Amino acid sequence: DAGVIQSPRHEVTEMGQEVTLRCKPISGHNSLFWYRQTMMRGLELLIYFNNNVPIDDSGMPEDRFSAKMPNASFSTLKIQPSEPRDSAVYFCASSPGHSNTEAFFGQGTRLTVV
Amino acid sequence: QQQVKQSPQSLIVQKGGISIINCAYENTAFDYFPWYQQFPGKGPALLIAIRPDVSEKKEGRFTISFNKSAKQFSLHIMDSQPGDSATYFCAAMGGGNEKLTFGTGTRLTIIP
Repeated sequence: DAGVIQSPRHEVTEMGQEVTLRCKPISGHNSLFWYRQTMMRGLELLIYFNNNVPIDDSGMPEDRFSAKMPNASFSTLKIQPSEPRDSAVYFCASSPGHSNTEAFFGQGTRLTVV
Repeated sequence: QQQVKQSPQSLIVQKGGISIINCAYENTAFDYFPWYQQFPGKGPALLIAIRPDVSEKKEGRFTISFNKSAKQFSLHIMDSQPGDSATYFCAAMGGGNEKLTFGTGTRLTIIP
């Protein structure tokens, strides 16, 4: 398996523009997580899905952020409109779920909003 | 609310020495405590994990020590090598959900 695949790896966008980050979890994994990493706040969980259903979105910063998981092999994180303070590395992770709790992370998307 | 506190923020250890990173948690519902290792430009990867039914777990040069009464756990890296230079995160999970709460990270540098 190629692991968790995220795209794009890097994104530079202007303030006010819409940004969409994409994630393909490991096949067969039941849980998917979106994290944001910054120097100031470390690794923050934004939202996680189990069997494509959002379970906890309490970490989503505000209404400008939205996440979807239309099927077991694809998820998106959208920011609209983007702001400079959204600049961070966004990670997607997946885990088998049930009794196996190991989370496998993708390589991340480095987002810069100018 | 920071539920997992990690220290130190950075650590420099000589090659062959022992690296020790400490974490403390608040939520007594936590029942799974992993450590993740992250290299620059990469996502975190699971290094070793422990559940509170044991006080220590060892895998090669990496050992987790767990003190349930003190709500503390630590990572020990024996015979530290330059290839161990990375950022290490402790984490905790429990309470019936799969949310991993991460510590703030420790940047470890092993010098020759």
